[in-house]
Amino acid sequence: KAGVTQTPRYLIKTRGQQVTLSCSPISGHRSVSWYQQTPGQGLQFLFEYFSETQRNKGNFPGRFSGRQFSNSRSEMNVSTLELGDSALYLCASSPGTSQETQYFGPGTRLLVL
Amino acid sequence: GEDVEQSLFLSVREGDSSVINCTYTDSSSTYLYWYKQEPGAGLQLLTYIFSNMDMKQDQRLTVLLNKKDKHLSLRIADTQTGDSAIYFCAENESPPRGQGNKLTFGTGTQLKVEL
Repeated sequence: KAGVTQTPRYLIKTRGQQVTLSCSPISGHRSVSWYQQTPGQGLQFLFEYFSETQRNKGNFPGRFSGRQFSNSRSEMNVSTLELGDSALYLCASSPGTSQETQYFGPGTRLLVL
Repeated sequence: GEDVEQSLFLSVREGDSSVINCTYTDSSSTYLYWYKQEPGAGLQLLTYIFSNMDMKQDQRLTVLLNKKDKHLSLRIADTQTGDSAIYFCAENESPPRGQGNKLTFGTGTQLKVEL
């Protein structure tokens, strides 16, 4: 089985722009979660999607949003980028039925200038 | 949110055992996990333990769980240079229990294996 894939792998944006990141889960997995990793704050949970619905949400401002498609692929969007949004954004997938193991993708590294 | 704490650094010699410790605060967590992150890479799941277990062994890896003290440890036997990485413990704090996934990660322990 192919693993979790994320595109693009690297991205450079400027302040005020918006960005969309994509995640394709492992085949058959219905839950997709997003995490932000920064040197200062570590790994922080953004949100989780299951069956095209947001099921859990972390403590991030409304500039961070996401969605999930019927094929379980997910996108996250960050609007009005700030310098502090520079981070590694990780996506994880799991079958989705209950608390269970999450498998992570390689991440998208976003640099905001 | 709940805090998960780890020591920042650990240095061992090749061939020795490594023990990475973690303390967590959410006593309702059902699963606790260990992930490995190599430079420039995502997170690789190493192992996990169910909260009703005290110990789990998987080849060179041994996980010990002390629920009373909320302490989790990962022992790597015969540590190799390829084990050099950052190790994260994580708990699943999805509320309500059993619905969804919301991992809270520790700060990560940088393991350095010296020849």
